[in-house]
Amino acid sequence: GQQVMQIPQYQHVQEGEDFTTYCNSSTTLSNIQWYKQRPGGHPVFLIQLVKSGEVKKQKRLTFQFGEAKKNSSLHITATQTTDVGTYFCAEPTSGTYKYIFGTGTRLKVLA
Amino acid sequence: NAGVTQTPKFQVLKTGQSMTLQCAQDMNHEYMSWYRQDPGMGLRLIHYSVGAGITDQGEVPNGYNVSRSTTEDFPLRLLSAAPSQTSVYFCASGRAYEQYFGPGTRLTVT
Repeated sequence: GQQVMQIPQYQHVQEGEDFTTYCNSSTTLSNIQWYKQRPGGHPVFLIQLVKSGEVKKQKRLTFQFGEAKKNSSLHITATQTTDVGTYFCAEPTSGTYKYIFGTGTRLKVLA
Repeated sequence: NAGVTQTPKFQVLKTGQSMTLQCAQDMNHEYMSWYRQDPGMGLRLIHYSVGAGITDQGEVPNGYNVSRSTTEDFPLRLLSAAPSQTSVYFCASGRAYEQYFGPGTRLTVT
């Protein structure tokens, strides 16, 4: 079945350091979504990527979709304590609206 | 505009009891879904719906039923609660390109 691997599982960084999480799929994707979940909160939609090689930026966050549309990354420049949380990718099962979430990367930022 | 609402926020059940988790959205979204999240884990899709009258199974559908009689509501029924169903349940609604999540229901089965 479809598998969504996310690495790393955990990441501790000093405030001001950069952070990257990677999402790898076993299948070619039509699109990929990224979500952030703060501790004790609910997932919040960040962005969707659709095109091969697409790069999108939201302030300090950079999202990239691989050329083969099988992987994606989220990069945060100069982390802040407000970036703390778990970052999930989510991908649709081919031809459906059935979204499967990755295992997530839990980010801790040390002030 | 309340977004996605879920009730109750907390629930304790005994093994074998049944109950319904409520989910409602006021954004006229066609797509709705239910996920469960176990401690320190990711989200696993239970059931989803692409419109009123249409539902389908997700990754972990056993022990749960859903129905979608209106665009707004998507209740999740636990038929006979088991301790393995202790989890946080999130409902979401959206379109093909994004989902909005409710605040969650924390369920404990003893």
